Amino acid sequence: DAGVIQSPRHEVTEMGQEVTLRCKPISGHDYLFWYRQTMMRGLELLIYFNNNVPIDDSGMPEDRFSAKMPNASFSTLKIQPSEPRDSAVYFCASSLDRGSKTQYFGPGTRLLVL
Amino acid sequence: KNEVEQSPQNLTAQEGEFITINCSYSVGISALHWLQQHPGGGIVSLFMLSSGKKKHGRLIATINIQEKHSSLHITASHPRDSAVYICAVRSNAGGTSYGKLTFGQGTILTVHP
Repeated sequence: DAGVIQSPRHEVTEMGQEVTLRCKPISGHDYLFWYRQTMMRGLELLIYFNNNVPIDDSGMPEDRFSAKMPNASFSTLKIQPSEPRDSAVYFCASSLDRGSKTQYFGPGTRLLVL
Repeated sequence: KNEVEQSPQNLTAQEGEFITINCSYSVGISALHWLQQHPGGGIVSLFMLSSGKKKHGRLIATINIQEKHSSLHITASHPRDSAVYICAVRSNAGGTSYGKLTFGQGTILTVHP
């Protein structure tokens, strides 16, 4: 298996622009997680899905952030409009089970908002 | 106070030294993860444990549920072990909180040849 795939790997954009991050989980995994990592706050869970349904989005910073999972093999995290404080590395991870199984992380998308 | 505390925050060692990184947590958990993040940014899961001890090569992870404490040990450290090591706990709270990972701030390990 190719593992969790994220795109793009790097994104540089100007403040106010819309940013869309993409994730393809490992085939057969029914949990998908979006994380953000910054120097100040470390790794934070933003939202997670089970069988394409958002379960907990309490970590989503504000309404400018939205996430969707239209099918089992694809998820997006969208920021509109983007702000410089959104600059971070965004990781997607997937697992077979929410409680007892290892999460497999994607390579991350490094976002810089100017 | 953070729910997950790691120590030390920075650790420098000479090649061959035995290394210990500690993780203390304050919430009820169903599992604890040790993750490794290399300078390139990729995150790799090293261990997931809920009791006792696990060993993989030169890496050993232990957990004491009663004391809410885990340690990651590296024997015969090598410069390639240089990375950030992150402890993460999986909540056993009910509802939508079950399964969420809460992360420590990480320990930056540098091993010199």
